[in-house]
Amino acid sequence: DIVMTQSPDSLAVSLGERATINCKSSQSVLYSSNNKNYLAWYQQKPGQPPKLLIYWASTRESGVPDRFSGSGSGTDFTLTISSLQAEDVAVYYCQQYYSTPPWYTFGQGTKLEIK
Amino acid sequence: EVQLVESGGVVVQPGGSLRLSCAASGFTFDDYAMHWVRQAPGKGLEWVSLISWDGGSTYYADSVKGRFTISRDNSKNSLYLQMNSLRAEDTALYYCAKDTSSSYSMDVWGKGTTVTVSS
Repeated sequence: DIVMTQSPDSLAVSLGERATINCKSSQSVLYSSNNKNYLAWYQQKPGQPPKLLIYWASTRESGVPDRFSGSGSGTDFTLTISSLQAEDVAVYYCQQYYSTPPWYTFGQGTKLEIK
Repeated sequence: EVQLVESGGVVVQPGGSLRLSCAASGFTFDDYAMHWVRQAPGKGLEWVSLISWDGGSTYYADSVKGRFTISRDNSKNSLYLQMNSLRAEDTALYYCAKDTSSSYSMDVWGKGTTVTVSS
Protein backbone atom coordinates (compact mmCIF):
# COMPACT_ATOMS: atom_id res chain seq x y z
CA ASP A 1 0.00 0.00 0.00
CA ILE A 2 1.11 3.55 -0.69
CA VAL A 3 1.49 5.60 2.48
CA MET A 4 1.31 9.39 2.48
CA THR A 5 3.05 11.07 5.41
CA GLN A 6 2.51 14.75 6.10
CA SER A 7 4.67 16.95 8.27
CA PRO A 8 4.21 18.61 10.60
CA ASP A 9 0.99 17.29 12.18
CA SER A 10 0.21 20.82 13.33
CA LEU A 11 1.57 24.24 12.59
CA ALA A 12 1.08 27.73 14.05
CA VAL A 13 2.02 30.69 11.86
CA SER A 14 1.58 34.43 12.33
CA LEU A 15 -0.76 36.35 10.07
CA GLY A 16 1.04 37.47 6.93
CA GLU A 17 3.81 34.92 7.34
CA ARG A 18 4.58 31.89 5.17
CA ALA A 19 3.19 28.45 6.00
CA THR A 20 4.76 25.30 4.58
CA ILE A 21 3.31 21.80 4.73
CA ASN A 22 5.14 18.73 3.46
CA CYS A 23 3.84 15.46 2.06
CA LYS A 24 5.95 12.38 1.37
CA SER A 25 4.73 9.38 -0.60
CA SER A 26 6.10 5.88 -0.07
CA GLN A 27 6.08 5.42 -3.86
CA SER A 28 6.53 7.83 -6.72
CA VAL A 29 3.32 9.43 -7.99
CA LEU A 30 5.00 10.67 -11.16
CA TYR A 31 3.65 9.05 -14.31
CA SER A 32 6.32 8.97 -17.01
CA SER A 33 3.69 8.54 -19.73
CA ASN A 34 2.60 12.17 -19.34
CA ASN A 35 5.14 13.54 -16.83
CA LYS A 36 2.35 14.38 -14.36
CA ASN A 37 2.39 13.94 -10.61
CA TYR A 38 -0.98 12.70 -9.40
CA LEU A 39 -0.84 14.56 -6.12
CA ALA A 40 -3.60 16.86 -4.85
CA TRP A 41 -4.03 19.15 -1.84
CA TYR A 42 -7.29 19.82 -0.01
CA GLN A 43 -8.35 22.31 2.64
CA GLN A 44 -10.95 21.34 5.23
CA LYS A 45 -12.39 23.99 7.53
CA PRO A 46 -14.29 22.94 10.67
CA GLY A 47 -17.73 21.55 9.90
CA GLN A 48 -17.17 21.69 6.14
CA PRO A 49 -16.30 19.12 3.47
CA PRO A 50 -12.83 19.20 1.94
CA LYS A 51 -12.11 21.68 -0.83
CA LEU A 52 -9.74 20.94 -3.69
CA LEU A 53 -6.89 23.48 -3.78
CA ILE A 54 -4.15 22.02 -5.97
CA TYR A 55 -3.96 19.12 -8.44
CA TRP A 56 -1.13 17.69 -10.53
CA ALA A 57 1.05 18.77 -7.58
CA SER A 58 1.20 22.42 -8.65
CA THR A 59 -1.94 23.46 -10.60
CA ARG A 60 -4.32 25.65 -8.64
CA GLU A 61 -8.01 24.83 -8.86
CA SER A 62 -10.13 27.59 -10.32
CA GLY A 63 -10.93 30.28 -7.75
CA VAL A 64 -8.15 29.35 -5.32
CA PRO A 65 -6.15 32.42 -4.22
CA ASP A 66 -2.65 32.64 -5.65
CA ARG A 67 -1.11 32.72 -2.17
CA PHE A 68 -1.57 28.94 -2.30
CA SER A 69 1.07 27.08 -4.30
CA GLY A 70 2.20 23.50 -4.66
CA SER A 71 5.56 22.08 -5.62
CA GLY A 72 7.52 18.86 -5.74
CA SER A 73 7.78 15.73 -7.84
CA GLY A 74 8.09 12.00 -7.44
CA THR A 75 7.75 11.34 -3.72
CA ASP A 76 8.19 14.73 -2.03
CA PHE A 77 5.72 17.57 -2.19
CA THR A 78 5.05 20.90 -0.51
CA LEU A 79 2.03 23.14 -0.07
CA THR A 80 2.95 26.75 0.61
CA ILE A 81 0.73 29.59 1.74
CA SER A 82 2.77 32.68 1.01
CA SER A 83 1.03 35.11 3.37
CA LEU A 84 -1.28 33.51 5.91
CA GLN A 85 -4.77 34.93 6.23
CA ALA A 86 -7.19 34.29 9.08
CA GLU A 87 -9.51 32.37 6.74
CA ASP A 88 -6.73 29.87 5.99
CA VAL A 89 -7.11 28.21 9.40
CA ALA A 90 -7.98 24.64 8.48
CA VAL A 91 -6.71 21.10 8.19
CA TYR A 92 -4.81 20.42 4.98
CA TYR A 93 -4.59 16.99 3.33
CA CYS A 94 -2.50 15.65 0.48
CA GLN A 95 -3.91 12.86 -1.69
CA GLN A 96 -2.26 10.57 -4.22
CA TYR A 97 -3.65 8.46 -7.04
CA TYR A 98 -2.23 5.06 -7.93
CA SER A 99 -3.37 3.55 -11.19
CA THR A 100 -3.16 -0.22 -10.97
CA PRO A 101 -5.61 -0.87 -9.54
CA PRO A 102 -7.06 2.62 -9.04
CA TRP A 103 -6.28 3.58 -5.47
CA TYR A 104 -6.45 6.85 -3.60
CA THR A 105 -4.64 7.61 -0.35
CA PHE A 106 -4.82 10.69 1.85
CA GLY A 107 -2.16 11.96 4.19
CA GLN A 108 -3.05 12.13 7.87
CA GLY A 109 -3.66 15.89 7.72
CA THR A 110 -1.88 18.99 9.01
CA LYS A 111 -3.73 21.38 11.29
CA LEU A 112 -2.85 25.00 10.56
CA GLU A 113 -3.52 27.65 13.21
CA ILE A 114 -2.72 31.29 13.80
CA LYS A 115 0.17 32.05 16.17
CA GLU B 1 -25.11 25.06 -9.20
CA VAL B 2 -23.01 21.92 -8.97
CA GLN B 3 -24.21 19.96 -5.96
CA LEU B 4 -23.96 16.59 -4.25
CA VAL B 5 -26.39 15.70 -1.46
CA GLU B 6 -25.89 12.56 0.60
CA SER B 7 -28.60 10.81 2.61
CA GLY B 8 -29.30 7.56 4.42
CA GLY B 9 -26.99 7.82 7.41
CA VAL B 10 -28.46 6.46 10.66
CA VAL B 11 -27.53 4.60 13.82
CA VAL B 12 -27.24 0.87 13.09
CA GLN B 13 -26.21 -2.13 15.16
CA PRO B 14 -22.97 -4.01 14.53
CA GLY B 15 -23.53 -6.58 11.81
CA GLY B 16 -26.32 -4.54 10.29
CA SER B 17 -26.77 -3.11 6.81
CA LEU B 18 -27.37 0.32 5.38
CA ARG B 19 -27.65 1.98 1.98
CA LEU B 20 -26.34 5.49 1.44
CA SER B 21 -27.47 7.64 -1.47
CA CYS B 22 -25.97 10.68 -3.16
CA ALA B 23 -28.02 12.91 -5.47
CA ALA B 24 -26.05 14.86 -8.04
CA SER B 25 -27.12 18.02 -9.86
CA GLY B 26 -25.61 20.83 -11.90
CA PHE B 27 -23.26 18.71 -13.99
CA THR B 28 -23.42 15.83 -16.47
CA PHE B 29 -23.37 13.00 -13.96
CA ASP B 30 -22.63 10.19 -16.38
CA ASP B 31 -19.47 11.91 -17.63
CA TYR B 32 -17.64 11.34 -14.36
CA ALA B 33 -16.38 8.67 -12.03
CA MET B 34 -17.57 9.07 -8.45
CA HIS B 35 -16.15 8.31 -5.00
CA TRP B 36 -17.18 7.65 -1.44
CA VAL B 37 -14.79 9.04 1.17
CA ARG B 38 -15.29 8.78 4.92
CA GLN B 39 -14.06 10.60 8.01
CA ALA B 40 -14.26 9.02 11.44
CA PRO B 41 -15.01 11.45 14.29
CA GLY B 42 -11.98 13.68 14.88
CA LYS B 43 -9.92 11.76 12.31
CA GLY B 44 -8.62 12.25 8.77
CA LEU B 45 -10.02 11.38 5.38
CA GLU B 46 -10.18 7.78 4.16
CA TRP B 47 -10.98 6.88 0.57
CA VAL B 48 -13.62 4.13 0.51
CA SER B 49 -14.65 3.36 -3.06
CA LEU B 50 -14.66 4.47 -6.70
CA ILE B 51 -17.05 3.73 -9.54
CA SER B 52 -16.42 4.48 -13.21
CA TRP B 53 -18.71 6.76 -15.21
CA ASP B 54 -20.74 3.85 -16.55
CA GLY B 55 -20.68 1.70 -13.44
CA GLY B 56 -18.67 -0.94 -15.22
CA SER B 57 -15.66 -0.75 -12.93
CA THR B 58 -15.62 -0.52 -9.15
CA TYR B 59 -12.78 -0.36 -6.65
CA TYR B 60 -12.62 -0.53 -2.87
CA ALA B 61 -10.31 0.15 0.03
CA ASP B 62 -9.14 -3.04 1.74
CA SER B 63 -10.99 -2.00 4.90
CA VAL B 64 -14.40 -2.34 3.18
CA LYS B 65 -13.76 -4.86 0.39
CA GLY B 66 -16.30 -7.67 0.43
CA ARG B 67 -18.67 -5.75 2.72
CA PHE B 68 -19.51 -2.55 0.79
CA THR B 69 -20.85 -2.24 -2.76
CA ILE B 70 -20.81 0.98 -4.76
CA SER B 71 -23.30 1.49 -7.57
CA ARG B 72 -24.89 4.25 -9.61
CA ASP B 73 -28.04 4.97 -11.59
CA ASN B 74 -27.18 7.49 -14.28
CA SER B 75 -30.86 7.85 -15.25
CA LYS B 76 -31.47 9.21 -11.73
CA ASN B 77 -28.16 11.09 -11.32
CA SER B 78 -27.58 9.05 -8.19
CA LEU B 79 -24.73 7.25 -6.47
CA TYR B 80 -25.15 4.57 -3.83
CA LEU B 81 -23.16 2.72 -1.20
CA GLN B 82 -24.56 -0.56 0.13
CA MET B 83 -22.91 -1.26 3.46
CA ASN B 84 -23.19 -4.76 4.96
CA SER B 85 -21.67 -6.45 8.02
CA LEU B 86 -21.13 -3.06 9.61
CA ARG B 87 -18.52 -2.68 12.35
CA ALA B 88 -17.91 -0.04 14.99
CA GLU B 89 -14.92 1.17 12.99
CA ASP B 90 -17.23 2.05 10.07
CA THR B 91 -18.66 4.88 12.19
CA ALA B 92 -17.94 8.03 10.19
CA LEU B 93 -19.20 10.93 8.14
CA TYR B 94 -19.54 9.60 4.60
CA TYR B 95 -18.95 11.99 1.71
CA CYS B 96 -19.65 11.44 -1.94
CA ALA B 97 -17.26 13.24 -4.26
CA LYS B 98 -16.94 13.80 -7.98
CA ASP B 99 -13.74 12.75 -9.72
CA THR B 100 -12.13 15.28 -12.01
CA SER B 101 -11.34 12.48 -14.48
CA SER B 102 -8.19 14.23 -15.72
CA SER B 103 -6.21 14.84 -12.55
CA TYR B 104 -7.59 11.95 -10.45
CA SER B 105 -8.59 14.27 -7.65
CA MET B 106 -12.01 15.18 -6.23
CA ASP B 107 -13.36 18.59 -7.14
CA VAL B 108 -16.94 18.51 -5.82
CA TRP B 109 -17.95 17.18 -2.41
CA GLY B 110 -21.25 16.79 -0.63
CA LYS B 111 -21.75 17.81 3.00
CA GLY B 112 -21.80 14.16 4.09
CA THR B 113 -24.14 11.81 5.94
CA THR B 114 -23.34 10.32 9.34
CA VAL B 115 -23.24 6.58 9.95
CA THR B 116 -23.00 5.38 13.54
CA VAL B 117 -22.49 1.70 14.25
CA SER B 118 -23.36 1.01 17.86
CA SER B 119 -25.37 -1.40 19.97
